[in-house]
Amino acid sequence: GAVVSQHPSWVICKSGTSVKIECRSLDFQATTMFWYRQFPKQSLMLMATSNEGSKATYEQGVEKDKFLINHASLTLSTLTVTSAHPEDSSFYICSARVLSGYEQYFGPGTRLTVT
Amino acid sequence: GQNIDQPTEMTATEGAIVQINCTYQTSGFNGLFWYQQHAGEAPTFLSYNVLDGLEEKGRFSSFLSRSKGYSYLLLKELQMKDSASYLCAVMDSNYQLIWGAGTKLIIKP
Repeated sequence: GAVVSQHPSWVICKSGTSVKIECRSLDFQATTMFWYRQFPKQSLMLMATSNEGSKATYEQGVEKDKFLINHASLTLSTLTVTSAHPEDSSFYICSARVLSGYEQYFGPGTRLTVT
Repeated sequence: GQNIDQPTEMTATEGAIVQINCTYQTSGFNGLFWYQQHAGEAPTFLSYNVLDGLEEKGRFSSFLSRSKGYSYLLLKELQMKDSASYLCAVMDSNYQLIWGAGTKLIIKP
């Protein structure tokens, strides 16, 4: 149980284009999902907290107009990287918190490369 | 400020036991998590401690002392596949996870 999927697993896009990443909780419902970014050999960095049916809460320094988050259902959250630049190349990981507790389960991550 | 400290890197021998420590200072406490992360992969959940004491789960055990702001992850009968980074994270009073930088564990034959 507690499986989280992400799509796509990896994506290469050109500078200036937008990329959408989907995060799904497959066998449980999650009112809260989290989006992280991780650069090589660095720790996880929380970008934003996504709550179903409401606006996402962004961490300091994260541009909400650049990283659009939508949490339209209890099993799906999406992150759209708009007007991507090479410095946005990173490993993006989502996680979902179970309704009945505090554990967070992570998706497999999406490796984004912007050329 | 909020702070999670854990060693950057540890080395251990296959078949042995290793203890990875984590100390924390956070605004409030709603539990401490340990995650395992292999290179290039997302973290996987290992344990959650909210009360003092030892929680055992197979070869992995996690200990918590809230009064000392201290936890450790104990790995027994080490296997080569245990080579990974181990992340300590504390849930603060706002139910947000505060992450440590991770401990890279290297297992040698």
